[in-house]
Amino acid sequence: TQLLEQSPQFLSIQEGENLTVYCNSSSVFSSLQWYRQEPGEGPVLLVTVVTGGEVKKLKRLTFQFGDARKDSSLHITAAQPGDTGLYLCAGVSGGSEKLVFGKGTKLTVNP
Amino acid sequence: EAGVTQSPTHLIKTRGQQATLRCSPISGHTSVYWYQQALGLGLQFLLWYDEGEERNRGNFPPRFSGRQFPNYSSELNVNALELEDSALYLCASSLVGVYYGYTFGSGTRLTVV
Repeated sequence: TQLLEQSPQFLSIQEGENLTVYCNSSSVFSSLQWYRQEPGEGPVLLVTVVTGGEVKKLKRLTFQFGDARKDSSLHITAAQPGDTGLYLCAGVSGGSEKLVFGKGTKLTVNP
Repeated sequence: EAGVTQSPTHLIKTRGQQATLRCSPISGHTSVYWYQQALGLGLQFLLWYDEGEERNRGNFPPRFSGRQFPNYSSELNVNALELEDSALYLCASSLVGVYYGYTFGSGTRLTVV
């Protein structure tokens, strides 16, 4: 069973601060995805990374896939209250059609 | 373009009853995935349907079942409801498979009392 461990579980910061959340596994993933989920809504796909060492930027969000394709990080620069939400990483391994999710990092950005 | 739609939004059932949840994928998407998001457990894979066939199921008992209709919409049935079935049930669809990610619906909140 592939497990994705996310850390920290909870994070509360002030507007304007930077932060990094992590997603780690002992398994190799062919695809790793980050989603953001707001209360009462389904997760929304932010990015997909597929190549070891890949870095993708989405405005103030920077996503990195580890060289060995076992881990990933999400860095947010100058966080804003609108960034508040549950950030989920999810991975696909081998030929599986099953997406395995981490438990998420709950981020709160205070004005 | 309409997104993934789920109904009902909320559902309250008594232990032992049956629940039916519905999902309409994005137009053109043939794959539908069902996930359970219970408090403290994260998203757990339930079922995957593609072209009307069940392709894979997660580690859930047989009382969790479903089907996919010719128009690619899908139904999730949960029989003999238990209190621990209370959760947000999410449906997602994909055009090219799981590799590039899903589009999720807003979910059905099932409460078993």
